[in-house]
Amino acid sequence: AQKVTQAQTEISVVEKEDVTLDCVYETRDTTYYLFWYKQPPSGELVFLIRRNSFDEQNEISGRYSWNFQKSTSSFNFTITASQVVDSAVYFCALSLGSGTYKYIFGTGTRLKVLA
Amino acid sequence: GAVVSQHPSRVICKSGTSVKIECRSLDFQATTMFWYRQFPKQSLMLMATSNEGSKATYEQGVEKDKFLINHASLTLSTLTVTSAHPEDSSFYICSAPGQSSSYNSPLHFGNGTRLTVT
Repeated sequence: AQKVTQAQTEISVVEKEDVTLDCVYETRDTTYYLFWYKQPPSGELVFLIRRNSFDEQNEISGRYSWNFQKSTSSFNFTITASQVVDSAVYFCALSLGSGTYKYIFGTGTRLKVLA
Repeated sequence: GAVVSQHPSRVICKSGTSVKIECRSLDFQATTMFWYRQFPKQSLMLMATSNEGSKATYEQGVEKDKFLINHASLTLSTLTVTSAHPEDSSFYICSAPGQSSSYNSPLHFGNGTRLTVT
């Protein structure tokens, strides 16, 4: 069975702090894709990153960075020097590479960045 | 690119009435679209897969007669909540794969529709 766990329900940080959002996934497939989406209060989901199971390279995009570790089945997301605009719910998702777009979402982590 | 537009963004209806939600791909064609439901402070649950020109595929536990899906064109899918009841109140959000034909292309989501049934 496939599953995505985001154990942190809610995190509050003060602006300029670094914060890491955890994501642990389960799948028996060898080919799969991992995603992070941001859902601001307005509701839409904004795509942040996609990573396939064969690419364990970490990625940095501005203040965002992602750490993919197959050994621990984790795909963690770090925001450096957080800003109030980063306040949102962040979802980690898993999709299988077997010709399907079906996503399995985690329960999300609500991040509150306080000024 | 890859913009998905959803309408309406909010709708309030009376119990027993039907509500139609539209999902459009604005700058690309989408043979497949996905409808999700999100309860407050919860994750997104896939309801059904909308297929252009054929019947939708519903997830287990989703009533197909309750949630009618029509994918009439390559850019439009509609979800109709029939005989709505207060327990149908939720946030409904559609999505479509981007222009890439690869199955690893990210889904692009609409802005969602908040349905309140009184």
